[in-house]
Amino acid sequence: GAVVSQHPSRVICKSGTSVKIECRSLDFQATTMFWYRQFPKQSLMLMATSNEGSKATYEQGVEKDKFLINHASLTLSTLTVTSAHPEDSSFYICSARVSEKNLIYNEQFFGPGTRLTVL
Amino acid sequence: SQQGEEDPQALSIQEGENATMNCSYKTSINNLQWYRQNSGRGLVHLILIRSNEREKHSGRLRVTLDTSKKSSSLLITASRAADTASYFCALQGGKLIFGQGTELSVKP
Repeated sequence: GAVVSQHPSRVICKSGTSVKIECRSLDFQATTMFWYRQFPKQSLMLMATSNEGSKATYEQGVEKDKFLINHASLTLSTLTVTSAHPEDSSFYICSARVSEKNLIYNEQFFGPGTRLTVL
Repeated sequence: SQQGEEDPQALSIQEGENATMNCSYKTSINNLQWYRQNSGRGLVHLILIRSNEREKHSGRLRVTLDTSKKSSSLLITASRAADTASYFCALQGGKLIFGQGTELSVKP
């Protein structure tokens, strides 16, 4: 089946530092990758959609200069949390989709998540 | 809001009982999906039901979709303690948007 990995699985950093999270599709090429954020006891909130080779589309209220997304290849997208603060502490989950065509059948495959703790 | 609304927010049942969770939405969709998430862990995809389908089964899971009422339900039959988790519906339009989730607790 389609596998998506994330690295690291867990990261603790000091306030003011930047953290990069990688999302890889291991056995398929993902034209589109998505980044979600989940606070404790809450649902997943879509942060941004990234298409390979183009700029990411951010959801309302998500600062693009704070959450830098790069989708340079069909198997890798990165999310960089710049100048992280304690309120950025969250569970970050990526997902990957093979094609935008025929969304009735189109599944997204989710990574295992990255838990970010900012001290 | 595109987000699905789920009820109940929390459900506590005894092992062996059935659990029903509901999801209502407002937008048009291509498909609706259900996911499970154990505490602090990643998502597990349970089932996808297309907009032209009304019911789908997978093991002890039964999902229904009523597009006229814009609602879906997830039924877990003969629940087990291992079913304890949060369950989310997710609406697939151009993007996959998650509902607020139902926290299910199955007591042995």
